[in-house]
Amino acid sequence: GQSLEQPSEVTAVEGAIVQINCTYQTSGFYGLSWYQQHDGGAPTFLSYNALDGLEETGRFSSFLSRSDSYGYLLLQELQMKDSASYFCAVSSGSARQLTFGSGTQLTVLP
Amino acid sequence: DGGITQSPKYLFRKEGQNVTLSCEQNLNHDAMYWYRQDPGQGLRLIYYSQIVNDFQKGDIAEGYSVSREKKESFPLTVTSAQKNPTAFYLCASSRQDSEKLFFGSGTQLSVL
Repeated sequence: GQSLEQPSEVTAVEGAIVQINCTYQTSGFYGLSWYQQHDGGAPTFLSYNALDGLEETGRFSSFLSRSDSYGYLLLQELQMKDSASYFCAVSSGSARQLTFGSGTQLTVLP
Repeated sequence: DGGITQSPKYLFRKEGQNVTLSCEQNLNHDAMYWYRQDPGQGLRLIYYSQIVNDFQKGDIAEGYSVSREKKESFPLTVTSAQKNPTAFYLCASSRQDSEKLFFGSGTQLSVL
């Protein structure tokens, strides 16, 4: 089976940088995705890494190390609206279905 | 506007009753998924479908059933066999072999 570990909570102040780590165990790994979910809302796609290295999309960046089974999401210039839950997810298996971590609740303080 | 629509937003189930959650998409996506989310937890895969008239069990399929008669529609039935159905249910769709899922706004199911 698959397992993912990410911190349950992270707190930071506006304008700061925060890194959310994710370690995983899986077979047939294709890639690592990140999703954002505000309270009571639908998850929205942030990024996907299939290869080692850093992918940058505006204030958000995502990193993957396949050899270490590890990735992280980096959020820069934090804003209050970034307060949300962030989920890492691995795609694996013949159908490349996603298995989600338990999520990291990010709180951005003024 | 293209998107994925779930209904109803809130649903209540009585003991021994089956209930059906609707999921419709007009994104022309081949793949559709149902996830269950419990408070403070991640999403767990119930069922998925990669093509019309075909679907596969996910990690927690017991007590649930689905159908995929049309590309646009992937309804989920929560049967009376599901003893702990209270949760937030999320439907999603994607292009084939894509990790970018588009989610609906969810259905909160509660037991009376």
